Amino acid sequence: EAQVTQNPRYLITVTGKKLTVTCSQNMNHEYMSWYRQDPGLGLRQIYYSMNVEVTDKGDVPEGYKVSRKEKRNFPLILESPSPNQTSLYFCASSFTTTGTTSQSWDTQYFGPGTRLTVL
Amino acid sequence: RKEVEQDPGPFNVPEGATVAFNCTYSNSASQSFFWYRQDCRKEPKLLMSVYSSGNEDGRFTAQLNRASQYISLLIRDSKLSDSATYLCVVNLYSGGGADGLTFGKGTHLIIQP
Repeated sequence: EAQVTQNPRYLITVTGKKLTVTCSQNMNHEYMSWYRQDPGLGLRQIYYSMNVEVTDKGDVPEGYKVSRKEKRNFPLILESPSPNQTSLYFCASSFTTTGTTSQSWDTQYFGPGTRLTVL
Repeated sequence: RKEVEQDPGPFNVPEGATVAFNCTYSNSASQSFFWYRQDCRKEPKLLMSVYSSGNEDGRFTAQLNRASQYISLLIRDSKLSDSATYLCVVNLYSGGGADGLTFGKGTHLIIQP
């Protein structure tokens, strides 16, 4: 079954304790992305990756790290979590097409979400 | 500055009615357009892509108006199960950067019996 998985689904932690949220897809997608969703703010992109070893900042990258060592995995790392990182996090993946002057995306497949609470 | 704007609602609509909402985008050179549906506390899922000529999928019709820079979603004969948040997604940039896939904040639709 084609899917994006995230773990853990729920996490309560304390300020400063490093954590990693894993994301894995089995569809051979080049593009992967992390979003956080907060009430009234919608989905905001944290980091994205166009392919293995290619990552870049999204709109709200502060306090986060990512890596893309394998095509299927795109973990999100919070080195020193703070309460303002309490949020609902989604990982997404898709195929992309790069033209000479444009970039287009196919359907974004989202993971089930990780609800993180930082105390 | 990236901009994809939606009316957050909520739109309260009686069952069986037709409802439509729009999404405006800032860059006239934008390419891909999509509507996603998100149920409460769940992940967004693709509802339909939006093509230049407009497209229909059952009770749902999506249209693109490039001149006025908006896309629309029309739902006919609305069902209780249509209650959800509808997210507009636009590729705002036509060249170079790969960071142009932008989500609107969503329109909350409530179908009432």
